[in-house]
This record gives sequence, C-alpha cells and structure tokens, in this order.
Amino acid sequence: GNSVTQMEGPVTLSEEAFLTINCTYTATGYPSLFWYVQYPGEGLQLLLKATKADDKGSNKGFEATYRKETTSFHLEKGSVQVSDSAVYFCARSNQAGTALIFGKGTTLSVSS
Amino acid sequence: GAGVSQSPSNKVTEKGKDVELRCDPISGHTALYWYRQSLGQGLEFLIYFQGNSAPDKSGLPSDRFSAERTGGSVSTLTIQRTQQEDSAVYLCASSPGQGAYGYTFGSGTRLTVV
Repeated sequence: GNSVTQMEGPVTLSEEAFLTINCTYTATGYPSLFWYVQYPGEGLQLLLKATKADDKGSNKGFEATYRKETTSFHLEKGSVQVSDSAVYFCARSNQAGTALIFGKGTTLSVSS
Repeated sequence: GAGVSQSPSNKVTEKGKDVELRCDPISGHTALYWYRQSLGQGLEFLIYFQGNSAPDKSGLPSDRFSAERTGGSVSTLTIQRTQQEDSAVYLCASSPGQGAYGYTFGSGTRLTVV
C-alpha cells in the first residue's frame, strides 16, 4: 500500500545528543517528502522538504536526505536542544499531488 | 491574513448535535485541506479544495461529514449528528499550489463529543 512509516516513540535524549528519527515510505513514482514539527500547544509547521531523489532538506540544524534506493527520508540532528522537544511527522505527497500522507508522528523529549 | 486561522479553537458538543468548524486560509492560497488528528492515529486526510475545481472528498469518513469553500477562500467543515468517535483535533491547511509546496497549518479545532 501507499503509506509512511516512522519509528515509534517516544524518543528520549539528553541535550547535545545525536538524533535520528527513521522514516520510510511506500509509493508509486517519486513523491515529494516532508518533515513537519508540532511543538507543545502549537500547530504543525513545515520543518524541511525534498522534492527529488538525493535532495537534502535542511533547517534549524535538522537534515534529511531523499533516498530513492531505500525509500527513506530519515531525520537527523547532530546536537539536540531542550527546545527541540516536539512531535515530528514524516509525510509524502500522494500520486495526484492533491494531499500529503502523514506518518503517525514521533515524540521527542530532550532533557538538560 | 498572516496565517491560517481556525475557529473555534475548542468545541464541546453533545452527541447527536451538528457542529461547524471554520477555516480562513492564507490570502492568495488556492489550495485548502482538512485533516483530522486523533490520539495515536496521526493525521487523516479528509478533503481537498483547489481553486474552482471539484473538491477531492475521498477522505471523508462518512456522509455525516461535509465541507464547503465559498468564494475560493473561507471553508466550513460540518459534522452532522456527531458521535463520540468524532472527537479529535481538526486541522486546516492551505497552500499556494499542490504537492511539492507543502502546507501551512492552522492551530486546529479540538472537538470533544460528550
């Protein structure tokens, strides 16, 4: 089927630790890929995106590379901060380009 | 406006009542989307409007759900005869185009059916 699968949370890290949140997708063709973030009490915000294979999206120290071979778009950050505590959603565009299909979200909790 | 505005932010309703949720998208954005965010279920696509085209209603879970977009701007999501399983956060998003542009989301309406 067409879906987005994220690693289950919660992910609990200490400040300055390395972060990886895995995301894989199934799709027909080559969708655009996105990471959204939802901070406590706020709405979803676009974090980064990639529109074609081997593209790297980056923002606020986060990075994700569109890997066609492994159908993955893993989110990474070299040194997390307490302020990064949030729910992270991986998403891909559907084939028609009329909607985004989201994963279930991964909760990240960073402690000082 | 500067962002996507949704109202009300919270709504508590009795089972069986009808509710209307409003979304005011970013000015100039031609695409408007409704999603539902349920605990542990992620985001579920409901409906998509693009300009004057017929909406994509493929995500609406039942015929109790309907949505309109008037004048290519404001949208209203209506849920008739609400059920407890309709309790969720209803999110609206708008986009200047489709697909690769990504969305700007509103803060959502938290609906609780008691």
